[in-house]
Amino acid sequence: GQQVMQIPQYQHVQEGEDFTTYCNSSTTLSNIQWYKQRPGGHPVFLIQLVKSGEVKKQKRLTFQFGEAKKNSSLHITATQTTDVGTYFCAVNSGGSNYKLTFGKGTLLTVNP
Amino acid sequence: DGGITQSPKYLFRKEGQNVTLSCEQNLNHDAMYWYRQDPGQGLRLIYYSQIVNDFQKGDIAEGYSVSREKKESFPLTVTSAQKNPTAFYLCASSQQGAIQPQHFGDGTRLSIL
Repeated sequence: GQQVMQIPQYQHVQEGEDFTTYCNSSTTLSNIQWYKQRPGGHPVFLIQLVKSGEVKKQKRLTFQFGEAKKNSSLHITATQTTDVGTYFCAVNSGGSNYKLTFGKGTLLTVNP
Repeated sequence: DGGITQSPKYLFRKEGQNVTLSCEQNLNHDAMYWYRQDPGQGLRLIYYSQIVNDFQKGDIAEGYSVSREKKESFPLTVTSAQKNPTAFYLCASSQQGAIQPQHFGDGTRLSIL
């Protein structure tokens, strides 16, 4: 099935610093989704990217899909303590529109 | 409010016992999913169902079974054949069609006594 590598595994920042997590694939992706899971919570859908080179923004979050559709990034500007959690990318796999393969996630901690 | 309800929140099982985790949704979604989450492993797909009375194995189906008799319900049974069942189990659902966002329940944490 589809494999996706997510880096870094952990990131600790001071409040106000920026943060970026990356997802990389060896094959071309049809789309990519991003989720956030707060500590003790469940994953919550953030966004889906479909087009080559696509950039989408949600307040302080910027999502990018690479030109070759093999990588994606999530960038948070000026982190806040509310940004704490694990960020996952997820890609379509196995030839099914329903089957997602999740990256292992990046755990973000923010020091106030 | 529409959503996904998983019960119980915490579950303890003795070795050799089967246990069933409940997942109910009132979002009118056609597709439902079960994931297993272990520390540092992300989410791994156990089973998924695109429609009532149909389901497919995911990446780690061994030792698990499911049924989909109703649109709203997708229970997961962890059988005694599952060698390492201690984990956080998440149920999700999505609308039918080309890749849709998945909506997750609050999860069930299963521990072996």
